[in-house]
Amino acid sequence: QITLKESGPTLVKPTQTLTLTCTFSGFSLSTSGLGVGWIRQPPGKALEWLALIYWDNDKRFRPSLKTRLTITKDTSKNQVVLRMTNMDPVDTATYFCAHRPRVGAHFDVWGQGTLVTVSS
Amino acid sequence: QPVLTQPPSSSASPGESARLTCTLPSDINIGGYNVYWYQQKPGSPPRYLLYYYSDSDTGQGSGVPSRFSGSRNASANAGILLISGLQSEDEADYYCMIWSNNGGVFGGGTRLTVL
Repeated sequence: QITLKESGPTLVKPTQTLTLTCTFSGFSLSTSGLGVGWIRQPPGKALEWLALIYWDNDKRFRPSLKTRLTITKDTSKNQVVLRMTNMDPVDTATYFCAHRPRVGAHFDVWGQGTLVTVSS
Repeated sequence: QPVLTQPPSSSASPGESARLTCTLPSDINIGGYNVYWYQQKPGSPPRYLLYYYSDSDTGQGSGVPSRFSGSRNASANAGILLISGLQSEDEADYYCMIWSNNGGVFGGGTRLTVL
């Protein structure tokens, strides 16, 4: 059974860097074809894809946020970490991580999400 | 980043069918993309429903009832989610998604109300 869980601060100040950790079980990110992605959802708004890391450490980022995002994986800990710099109140959202079973596929299993509020 | 256009709301009665659309921009031909559909209920993460590429290349998510199916309207450059035999539990937000050259792109979502 695949599970994912997001963790990190619930409140960050403007201009700070957000660090979120996705801890997963039921698969290894060293398995060929697999990926883990991050998606966010501002309150009452639509889903927004942010980033994706593949088993081979290839990475993809939302073009409009590319300069602010980093994504890394720790295969031994079964974790994927997303960092977003220069946080702004418009970045207030629920952040989800999700499992992608193969290249070009959907996100089939999602974490419950974590709400991050950006406010001074 | 392309924009996928979904009507903000739709409604239908129990037992009826709902047809939700996802229109791609004119510079992206739907014929070249899998369209993925997700369902999201309040306070829950999205749930993967299915993907549609063609009538011979489509796939259902695990445990998703066959009442949910995909289609497309090539002339409208739109993906379609069909829900037949609507049930009250189908009331939710529905999002389409594609993988473009620049990564994942979600539509704005359609809130389906089952009257």
